[in-house]
Amino acid sequence: GAVVSQHPSWVICKSGTSVKIECRSLDFQATTMFWYRQFPKQSLMLMATSNEGSKATYEQGVEKDKFLINHASLTLSTLTVTSAHPEDSSFYICSASRTNEKLFFGSGTQLSVL
Amino acid sequence: QKEVEQNSGPLSVPEGAIASLNCTYSDRGSQSFFWYRQYSGKSPELIMFIYSNGDKEDGRFTAQLNKASQYVSLLIRDSQPSDSATYLCAVNLAGAGSYQLTFGKGTKLSVIP
Repeated sequence: GAVVSQHPSWVICKSGTSVKIECRSLDFQATTMFWYRQFPKQSLMLMATSNEGSKATYEQGVEKDKFLINHASLTLSTLTVTSAHPEDSSFYICSASRTNEKLFFGSGTQLSVL
Repeated sequence: QKEVEQNSGPLSVPEGAIASLNCTYSDRGSQSFFWYRQYSGKSPELIMFIYSNGDKEDGRFTAQLNKASQYVSLLIRDSQPSDSATYLCAVNLAGAGSYQLTFGKGTKLSVIP
């Protein structure tokens, strides 16, 4: 079964509103989680690395004030897209590793901003 | 800049044939290599990972790694229509324990019944 749970699976929101996406590791503690964004027919692009108990590390070009990441516990990381705009519409995916070998992905969140 | 290159396809093979998916990477320090399968609208699913030069087999899947040529491939034997998906190659620089991956754009595979 799934080892990483992501919620919601899809969300439609109005421009200017904020959207929160949750990522949970179900049966293991994840000190590090990753957030990716994927546009249609494009590859996964790493947005940020979420570290439990500390600030997230953002990739170049990703606005930290727009994409707020909170990793308050060893099993939960959240991504909040603030003041969302249509260009933020994308497929957002989180991931976490249970072992040193494998990275498991959440089911993804399709965000559509109207 | 680290790059992972894949032919976007689509790659079409008949059912029962061998599908060969290729990936090259630019960073010689890359340590770990992964193949993910992604169905449309879904998140990636890990198929194989490989660390050492040579072949690694798991059921119908074989991953091949050649670090000298900076090349990793995935072979799918006895291809099935359910194998039709986009296959993502991913590369990790720092090795086991560090999970930051760089993904290729993926190769779309279509298995024709």
